[in-house]
Amino acid sequence: KAGVTQTPRYLIKTRGQQVTLSCSPISGHRSVSWYQQTPGQGLQFLFEYFSETQRNKGNFPGRFSGRQFSNSRSEMNVSTLELGDSALYLCASSLDPPQDTQYFGPGTRLTVL
Amino acid sequence: GQQLNQSPQSMFIQEGEDVSMNCTSSSIFNTWLWYKQEPGEGPVLLIALYKAGELTSNGRLTAQFGITRKDSFLNISASIPSDVGIYFCAGQQSGNTPLVFGKGTRLSVIA
Repeated sequence: KAGVTQTPRYLIKTRGQQVTLSCSPISGHRSVSWYQQTPGQGLQFLFEYFSETQRNKGNFPGRFSGRQFSNSRSEMNVSTLELGDSALYLCASSLDPPQDTQYFGPGTRLTVL
Repeated sequence: GQQLNQSPQSMFIQEGEDVSMNCTSSSIFNTWLWYKQEPGEGPVLLIALYKAGELTSNGRLTAQFGITRKDSFLNISASIPSDVGIYFCAGQQSGNTPLVFGKGTRLSVIA
């Protein structure tokens, strides 16, 4: 069974631009969660989608948004990029229930210059 | 946002030694998870704990769910070079709430 895939793996953008990251969950998984990982803050929860609906949202500004498609694939978008948005963005999928058994993708490394 | 207190931040140990790390919180969690992350990869689930007092093993790894439900421990016995990586604890308060992560313990094994 293929794992969680994320594209692209690496991305370089400049301040003010926007970016879209993609996540394909494990086949059959309907829940997709997004996390931001930085050396200073660690892993911070962004949002979770289930059946195309945002079910949970972390404490991030409105520049961070996401969506989920009918095939459970998910995208997240960051608009008006800031230097501090440089991070590893991780996607995790899970069956529902149990919500807790989350399987992570390799992440997208975003660098904002 | 909410975060778990994980310690130690880093460890340098000799191959063959046992390792212990822990995670504490001021809040109660109903699920505790331990993940390992290697460079260039996402975290990989090692052990999941669902019940206070539960002790679960996965090969040389053993984890415990604290009785107060506010802490968890991970032990690695007889460490080997491939144990190198960052170990994260994560807690979940209920089935549909997001995971909360510790900041990780970076493990280095000296052969």
